[in-house]
Amino acid sequence: EAQVTQNPRYLITVTGKKLTVTCSQNMNHEYMSWYRQDPGLGLRQIYYSMNVEVTDKGDVPEGYKVSRKEKRNFPLILESPSPNQTSLYFCASSLDRGIEQYFGPGTRLTVT
Amino acid sequence: QKEVEQDPGPLSVPEGAIVSLNCTYSNSAFQYFMWYRQYSRKGPELLMYTYSSGNKEDGRFTAQVDKSSKYISLFIRDSQPSDSATYLCATGFDYIPTFGRGTSLIVHP
Repeated sequence: EAQVTQNPRYLITVTGKKLTVTCSQNMNHEYMSWYRQDPGLGLRQIYYSMNVEVTDKGDVPEGYKVSRKEKRNFPLILESPSPNQTSLYFCASSLDRGIEQYFGPGTRLTVT
Repeated sequence: QKEVEQDPGPLSVPEGAIVSLNCTYSNSAFQYFMWYRQYSRKGPELLMYTYSSGNKEDGRFTAQVDKSSKYISLFIRDSQPSDSATYLCATGFDYIPTFGRGTSLIVHP
């Protein structure tokens, strides 16, 4: 089954404790992206990757890091999480330039 | 001004109604136009996308784009309770889509 998987699905952590949210896709897509979704603000792009080793900032990259060492994986790293990073995070992948994106199930992150 | 504006609703309609969901966008250079549906506690799923002005139909769903007015619409015919979800419009450039905030639709039996 074609899918995007994210882990963990739920995470509660404390300020400053480094964390990684994993994302993996099995569709051989070149494009992958991370979003955060907040009430009243909608989906906002954090980072995207056009291919292995090629990443670029989206609208809200501050406080986040990404890497793309393999085509199928695109982890999101929060080096020092803060409460304003409490949000619902989605990973997505696409065959073509960010059009027709397939989204993962989401990771709900709470930073206290 | 946000680049893509969308009324958050909620929009409540009876089963069988024709639903009209709308977005406006500010950048006339945006290249493609998409509609996603998001059920509660799920990730968005793509409904339709198009590159051009005009209508595109898929079953009960019709996407309409008017580039001269910078207006995007999604029409749902014969709406069903299973259509109850949040609908997100999106537009943008290669690799960088911009999403609207989403409109919550409730179809009651």
